[in-house]
Amino acid sequence: EPEVTQTPSHQVTQMGQEVILRCVPISNHLYFYWYRQILGQKVEFLVSFYNNEISEKSEIFDDQFSVERPDGSNFTLKIRSTKLEDSAMYFCASSPDRANSYEQYFGPGTRLTVT
Amino acid sequence: AQTVTQSQPEMSVQEAETVTLSCTYDTSENNYYLFWYKQPPSRQMILVIRQEAYKQQNATENRFSVNFQKAAKSFSLKISDSQLGDTAMYFCALSRRYKYIFGTGTRLKVLA
Repeated sequence: EPEVTQTPSHQVTQMGQEVILRCVPISNHLYFYWYRQILGQKVEFLVSFYNNEISEKSEIFDDQFSVERPDGSNFTLKIRSTKLEDSAMYFCASSPDRANSYEQYFGPGTRLTVT
Repeated sequence: AQTVTQSQPEMSVQEAETVTLSCTYDTSENNYYLFWYKQPPSRQMILVIRQEAYKQQNATENRFSVNFQKAAKSFSLKISDSQLGDTAMYFCALSRRYKYIFGTGTRLKVLA
């Protein structure tokens, strides 16, 4: 069964460094998403992406964040200058065509630790 | 604004017993889906069950079933014959197009 994959599974970085989290969505899906979960808290929406554009973003998704689909398969989340409070689990998700965009398929997550 | 509320931060149940986790939500949309996700210590999000808002029949998946009350905006999860492997965090989620809204979760512990 097709699945969303994410790399790396765990990333440790120093405050102020740039990180790129990578996701490979399910191949025929058209909508892509990033979510964040700070330890012990709920999962929060960051951004949705369709047709090479951001469809919607939350107030968390400020200028430090960016997303990109650099090729036909990868979907990336970049954090330009990491802060301690960016430490969290980051989930990528994808969904198929417009008619089925209500159901999203989640990847296993990347645990980001900022020291 | 769309919200999802899980009022039970923690629950416990004896193995083989039945437990019900509560979820209420608020939305002004007519078309939406509701989900329950399980998050074990690995923190992966595992889909347990989903419900389309336009379907009156409650969804069931083996030992998992929901009680969907659309007018009351209530979406509870019933786990029958609880197993030790059901111990996890459970999140209720409301899907509107292009975005999921999650509740704060219920930590379920199944006792041997």
